[in-house]
Parts: sequence; structure tokens; C-alpha cells
Amino acid sequence: QVQLQESGPGLVKPSGTLSLTCAISGDSITNDNWWNWVRQPPGKGLEWIGQIHSNGMTNYKPSLKTRVTISVDKSKSRFSLDVNSVTAADTAVYYCARERCSGGSCNGFDNWGQGTLVTVSS
Amino acid sequence: QSALTQPASVSGSPGQSITISCTGTSSDVGGYNFVSWYQQHPGKAPRLMIYHVSNRPSGVSDRFSGSKSGNTASLTISGLQAEDEADYYCSSYTTSSAWVFGGGTKLTVL
Repeated sequence: QVQLQESGPGLVKPSGTLSLTCAISGDSITNDNWWNWVRQPPGKGLEWIGQIHSNGMTNYKPSLKTRVTISVDKSKSRFSLDVNSVTAADTAVYYCARERCSGGSCNGFDNWGQGTLVTVSS
Repeated sequence: QSALTQPASVSGSPGQSITISCTGTSSDVGGYNFVSWYQQHPGKAPRLMIYHVSNRPSGVSDRFSGSKSGNTASLTISGLQAEDEADYYCSSYTTSSAWVFGGGTKLTVL
């Protein structure tokens, strides 16, 4: 059974860097899957941030691309998110999610972490 | 890259059917058969209900079905049950090699 677990500081100061990690168990990070970050501001909808493949390829939401970096640590079976120059608008529950792929076909975000609330405030 | 357009809310009585629409453009919904639907109960993580427009993952009730016509995708829930009350989000792959979500629809079971 695949499990994803987000971790990181719950409070970040404005203009600082938000850093989160997603630990993967029950699946190999080297499999042909995409690993995603999605966030949800309090009371609002889902926003896709970006994704990374085990081969290091990344895709980002265009409007966030200049502030976001997603990286992977295969040795520790985890991937990470950095968002710099944060403002109150970056306050949200951050989820990591697996996009399961096989044979060149990907089938939706089928496994999600429980989410972690990050608040940007001084 | 704008969010996909969904109705803010829909409602139905137990046993009835409802449909939630998700409207995009030719750069996302209309250009790919990579539309997914997610169910989210309050305080919980989203759950995948439909992928590739109309495919159900293992474990999802066949009361949930998806379709697409042009730039609009739809999720239909038949035989409404109390536990279906939740927020529903569509998502689509885009020409920017990115994913975009809809604004979400709150389903109320009367």
C-alpha cells in the first residue's frame, strides 16, 4: 500500500523560503511515475504546483515557475518542494501526490498525502 | 493558464442523478483526453474518482461516470447517497505540460 507523508515547518516568514518534503513508502520512487505537489488555500480550491519524474524531469505551473523548485532524493525515497519569496498568498495546505504511470500512460493522481498546513506570517 | 470552470454548487435528493460540468479550452480539456475528477470530504485529502475522462479506478463505485464533449467534461453521479456529499474537482492536462484544476463544486445531498 502506497503511503505519502508531507513534512516541514508549519510557519514561514514573509519573503522567506517554504520547504517541504514528501516521504514515499510502498512504492519505488524510481518507478515510471510522476510525483506532484498540490496546494489548497484555506476555504479555497486545489492548485497544482508542479511535478517531478524519477529521471529528474520537472514541470511547473507557469505562473509559479520562477519561485518553485521540485527535487528528488532517490536514496531516501522522497521528493521536495521549495517556494521562495513567499507571501501570505502562499498560505495553504500542501499535498504531495503520485501520478501513477505504466507503459507510457498515466492514470491520474491516485495516492495523496494527508496534507500539511503552511502559514506565511511574521 | 486559468482554472477550469465548474458550478459552485449542485444539489440532489437521495437516489437522484446529478451532473457537474467542467469547462476549459482547446488548450486543456478540449485538446486532451486527460481529464480527471477528484472527491474531497472536509478536512481530507482528495480522492481520485475518474481518470482519462471516463475511467474508474479500482474501488470507485460504478455510480460515478465521466464524459467529455468539446471543451466541456462532465461527472455524473447516479443513485445519490448521503456519503457522496463532498467537494468535487476536475483537472486537465494542458499544452503547457502542466495540470490545471477546476474551481470546485460543492455537492449537497438534500
